[in-house]
Parts: sequence; C-alpha cells; structure tokens
Amino acid sequence: AQSVTQPDIHITVSEGASLELRCNYSYGATPYLFWYVQSPGQGLQLLLKYFSGDTLVQGIKGFEAEFKRSQSSFNLRKPSVHWSDAAEYFCALIGGSGTYKYIFGTGTRLKVLA
Amino acid sequence: GAGVSQSPSNKVTEKGKDVELRCDPISGHTALYWYRQSLGQGLEFLIYFQGNSAPDKSGLPSDRFSAERTGGSVSTLTIQRTQQEDSAVYLCASSLQGVRPFNGYTFGSGTRLTVV
Repeated sequence: AQSVTQPDIHITVSEGASLELRCNYSYGATPYLFWYVQSPGQGLQLLLKYFSGDTLVQGIKGFEAEFKRSQSSFNLRKPSVHWSDAAEYFCALIGGSGTYKYIFGTGTRLKVLA
Repeated sequence: GAGVSQSPSNKVTEKGKDVELRCDPISGHTALYWYRQSLGQGLEFLIYFQGNSAPDKSGLPSDRFSAERTGGSVSTLTIQRTQQEDSAVYLCASSLQGVRPFNGYTFGSGTRLTVV
C-alpha cells in the first residue's frame, strides 16, 4: 500500500538554526515526491518536487530535499530558518501510471522562536 | 484568474442544513480536485474532475456529498444535511493535466466549514 509518514507532528527551532523535516514513504517503485507548505489560513504552496535524476532537489524559499531510495525518505532541509517559515509542511507522493491522486502525510507544524 | 479561488472562505451552518462550496480554478486547468482537511488529520482526497467528468468520486464520504463541474471551469461541492463531523477545511486544487501532474497542484485557500 502507498503511504507517507511524517514522524514529527510539531518541531520548534530558533530563528537562524538549521531545519530538517522528515518524510518516509512506502511505494513499490520510485514515486513522484513533493513538499508543500501551508501558512495559516492559506492553501498549500508547492516547495519542491522530485521525479528522477539528481537526488538533491532545490526549491523555493531556500529549501532543499534529498531523496534516499535505500531509506525510502525524502527529507526537507533549510540551512537557516526565518521567522516567516513558521507554517505546516506536508510531504506527498504520486505513484503509478495513470495516477493523479496525491497521498499526503499528516503534516509537521513548524514553530520558529525569535 | 491568477489563482484558484474558493468561496466562501468561512461558513458556519446549523446541523441539518445544506451547504454549497465553490471553486474557480485557474483558467485552462483541465483537472480539478477537492480535498478535505480535518483537525489533526492529513489531507483526504474527495473527488477528481477531468473536464466536466468525475472519473474518481471514491473519496466522497457519503451520499450526502456531491460535486459538479460546469463548462470545464467552476466546481461546486454540495453537502446535504450537514453533520458536525463535516466540520473541516475544504480545499480545491487544479492542474494543467490530471495524470501525474508534474508541476503539482495549485491550491485555493480553502473554505473553513463549521457545523454547529
């Protein structure tokens, strides 16, 4: 069965500190992987995506993610967090031919301390 | 329009009443999706439209839920005889292509539905 797990429900970091949000997936082949961010009262915004090729992908707002097939992981990272990064982050996958339906993780809520 | 527009942004309704939620996707996007985001839950797929057709309605929780799309554009999600468990944020998204949307979805800001 396809699934996405985000083990951390809440994470708190200080402004300027580095950040890593974890995402593990279950899928029989290499899925298409995404990270979305949702600010309060807003819809979801695409941060970055991975389809194939280079396993380190760059996204918007200074985020990057690394695909590790051996660990079935797609962790999101940022070297230095800004207060405006406080939001909820969702990892998602699409897999299988003819697939259009995202499987979302339950999200990680990031709090940034000044 | 420039983005996906949803209305109303907030809706409070009494239990047992019917509600209609509207989604206006990005012009030219053939695929449209409805998701539900409940407190403490992830995003739950409800329905997928390709043009005016809905090849996948498998996520609709009950027969109280229905959706339509007209003119390959605006979609309406209707919930009849609302129950308290229907309280959630209903998100609409659209994409240029339905199958494996390579550029991801563009989401609207959602409608927060509260059933009292």
